[in-house]
Amino acid sequence: QKEVEQDPGPLSVPEGAIVSLNCTYSNSAFQYFMWYRQYSRKGPELLMYTYSSGNKEDGRFTAQVDKSSKYISLFIRDSQPSDSATYLCAMSARGNQFYFGTGTSLTVIP
Amino acid sequence: EAQVTQNPRYLITVTGKKLTVTCSQNMNHEYMSWYRQDPGLGLRQIYYSMNVEVTDKGDVPEGYKVSRKEKRNFPLILESPSPNQTSLYFCASSTEYIPNNEQFFGPGTRLTVL
Repeated sequence: QKEVEQDPGPLSVPEGAIVSLNCTYSNSAFQYFMWYRQYSRKGPELLMYTYSSGNKEDGRFTAQVDKSSKYISLFIRDSQPSDSATYLCAMSARGNQFYFGTGTSLTVIP
Repeated sequence: EAQVTQNPRYLITVTGKKLTVTCSQNMNHEYMSWYRQDPGLGLRQIYYSMNVEVTDKGDVPEGYKVSRKEKRNFPLILESPSPNQTSLYFCASSTEYIPNNEQFFGPGTRLTVL
């Protein structure tokens, strides 16, 4: 079983839609949770970081962590064409070794 | 400009021919790491280093070597490359190993082993 599972999509939504991206994991020791965004032919860049359970909001982005269900989510409100990218979830237990999901490809259609 | 650089960006080689992919950062970061990215498998960590002379295995270290003799450089060495090491490789760095300090990724090195 993979440490982190992520639906690869692809996901296609109209501009302005709310997007929901999700990951599940198996290792209960994970306590650091991240979302990265990767544009085509580029390296990933950090979008959101959450420690332990709870929600975190940054502009149009909201990250949620439910440790009891081993489930994390990223919500994008009022999606824009510039949000078209691959979104990777990542997790770590002690902050040194990281496990990434396979990524979800998102296209926002104008 | 703060950045992580990797060289070469593209490399085609043959099985068994030793190669080194260089990684350098100019942000005085303690933590550096190597990943490979493959379709359907995502980003997987190969090795990481929390400081000079300190390296540890990630999830997929077999067939790779690293060294951290200087803070800014973290080369990835493939002593005897095989076709299953054909992949897109990323180097990353951050100020500390605590992940709320953002990992900055390099532009990637696309390696093909024939």
